[in-house]
Amino acid sequence: DAKTTQPPSMDCAEGRAANLPCNHSTISGNEYVYWYRQIHSQGPQYIIHGLKNNETNEMASLIITEDRKSSTLILPHATLRDTAVYYCIVRATQGAQKLVFGQGTRLTINP
Amino acid sequence: EAGVVQSPRYKIIEKKQPVAFWCNPISGHNTLYWYLQNLGQGPELLIRYENEEAVDDSQLPKDRFSAERLKGVDSTLKIQPAELGDSAVYLCASSLDSAGGLDTQYFGPGTRLTVL
Repeated sequence: DAKTTQPPSMDCAEGRAANLPCNHSTISGNEYVYWYRQIHSQGPQYIIHGLKNNETNEMASLIITEDRKSSTLILPHATLRDTAVYYCIVRATQGAQKLVFGQGTRLTINP
Repeated sequence: EAGVVQSPRYKIIEKKQPVAFWCNPISGHNTLYWYLQNLGQGPELLIRYENEEAVDDSQLPKDRFSAERLKGVDSTLKIQPAELGDSAVYLCASSLDSAGGLDTQYFGPGTRLTVL
């Protein structure tokens, strides 16, 4: 699976949009971009995933660049409960079934 | 719908003692995973089950770790004997069926193990 690079930490004001970047310059054509988050003392929580097109669900939006070498997770109206470590993971559609977690981005939402 | 259930949530033992963790996956999920998470790090896969068969245990330290998934539902992860370096969070995850390829994994809350 391709490696990802994320900033170690970010801050965002409550009520504002939180934009979390992820670089995956070595991504290959059959690899999806997944986002999970981990709130303190909890297990990782699935957020969203995508291949080429932008995706949106009730939790977040995922914007993938046209060359697929980077992506941005957007939390449109961040709340204090969104404070967590956010993991960007690139995963092949077949073969390796495990999720390979990096260091992630520690997002802090400030009141 | 109930999520992945793990017990206990916390466990403190002395080194050289045995310890076991239990996981009940989401109903109907055929694939079950055990991950290890050290402090400040992301989770790392220990073992993956497809029904009752362990299909990827390459990262499981087999000298002291063992796992089973009898009847293809619940699973138990055991350490015997535990060492100081085993202190970590042990996470269980499940997915509907990974045999077909891409499959979303859902995690339990984890068991935090402290070895003294």
